Amino acid sequence: NAGVTQTPKFQVLKTGQSMTLQCAQDMNHNSMYWYRQDPGMGLRLIYYSASEGTTDKGEVPNGYNVSRLNKREFSLRLESAAPSQTSVYFCASSEEDRARENIQYFGAGTRLSVL
Amino acid sequence: QKEVEQDPGPLSVPEGAIVSLNCTYSNSAFQYFMWYRQYSRKGPELLMYTYSSGNKEDGRFTAQVDKSSKYISLFIRDSQPSDSATYLCAMTRANGNNRLAFGKGNQVVVIP
Repeated sequence: NAGVTQTPKFQVLKTGQSMTLQCAQDMNHNSMYWYRQDPGMGLRLIYYSASEGTTDKGEVPNGYNVSRLNKREFSLRLESAAPSQTSVYFCASSEEDRARENIQYFGAGTRLSVL
Repeated sequence: QKEVEQDPGPLSVPEGAIVSLNCTYSNSAFQYFMWYRQYSRKGPELLMYTYSSGNKEDGRFTAQVDKSSKYISLFIRDSQPSDSATYLCAMTRANGNNRLAFGKGNQVVVIP
């Protein structure tokens, strides 16, 4: 049972470089999410996808783009990385975005440093 | 005022002690309440989930919700070193936009 798988686990970028964080879930969930977690800030929602073919901005979308490639996969792209994007990124999925309880299941995270 | 407030700690307790964690919230529409546990360098994992007011017990863990005070708690009895982690509260409304609102997390260290 893999659950939510994120790649890569670690990445170091130089300012201005681009990269894509990959996320895949094998629970047949409809909804997927990208968060960033910073010390003292908690989890902040970057983008989410309520269902295949739809994406929406969360609390901190600036500097990011997303693609819901299919039901299983949801990628996060940094077009021109900035030091302020140094963070730990988590992907999550849930059965339904509008399910009453919206229990989300998280991946192990990607630690990104932008120099 | 942030929707969910959680004192980040850290909280250090001796093994066997009772750990008490809590969150307050401002949105009276929240109906579903969760506690996630996050070990160092891992993703959050769901620990407990409750609906509306009341208590829920699961082994050494008890979750309480007091909607009248907009206050939720997590108690860990007979704490173990393996309970050392960050605990995040999360909550959501029953209808409409069901984004999870998270607390910032409370780091707990259980000392052997």
